[in-house]
Amino acid sequence: TQLLEQSPQFLSIQEGENLTVYCNSSSVFSSLQWYRQEPGEGPVLLVTVVTGGEVKKLKRLTFQFGDARKDSSLHITAAQPGDTGLYLCARDSNYQLIWGAGTKLIIKP
Amino acid sequence: DSGVTQTPKHLITATGQRVTLRCSPRSGDLSVYWYQQSLDQGLQFLIHYYNGEERAKGNILERFSAQQFPDLHSELNLSSLELGDSALYFCASSVGVANNSPLHFGNGTRLTVT
Repeated sequence: TQLLEQSPQFLSIQEGENLTVYCNSSSVFSSLQWYRQEPGEGPVLLVTVVTGGEVKKLKRLTFQFGDARKDSSLHITAAQPGDTGLYLCARDSNYQLIWGAGTKLIIKP
Repeated sequence: DSGVTQTPKHLITATGQRVTLRCSPRSGDLSVYWYQQSLDQGLQFLIHYYNGEERAKGNILERFSAQQFPDLHSELNLSSLELGDSALYFCASSVGVANNSPLHFGNGTRLTVT
């Protein structure tokens, strides 16, 4: 199977702290998308990574695609309450996306 | 605003009933995807249409069906509803079928089966 495992499943931290969440697969994939879903809304695309070793930054968010293209991470610096949400990763598979179960992140003020 | 419109926002119905969920994709997008999301869980892919034709099926029950119309809007029909069908149902659209085309999601229909 081509499952995507996200860890941790749940994370609750104080405002201002740093954090990293992970997305791992047992098989190589050509691209990976990260989405954030806020309560009551649909997921919104944050970034797509396609090249092994690629690093993309979106303000305080840093996304990395592993060299072996089997894993990806999302690092948030100085987390803010507005970062609260469900972070989902999705990988390509035969013109469809396979989704991880998500990391539920809560940033406490 | 993603440009994807889903109606209704909320739906409460009884077991055994049938409902229809509607989705209007973002202007210019030919692909429509339907997903189910149960409480605190990830997205379960149901079905994908591209330009009116079914392209892929995921974990969609036989009691569920969908279609995409010539104007590209899509409907998801859920019949013989069971309590376990209570969930958020999301529609997403994208320009093509390529797996690296970003998906644009609507805000979902929350279905409650009582």
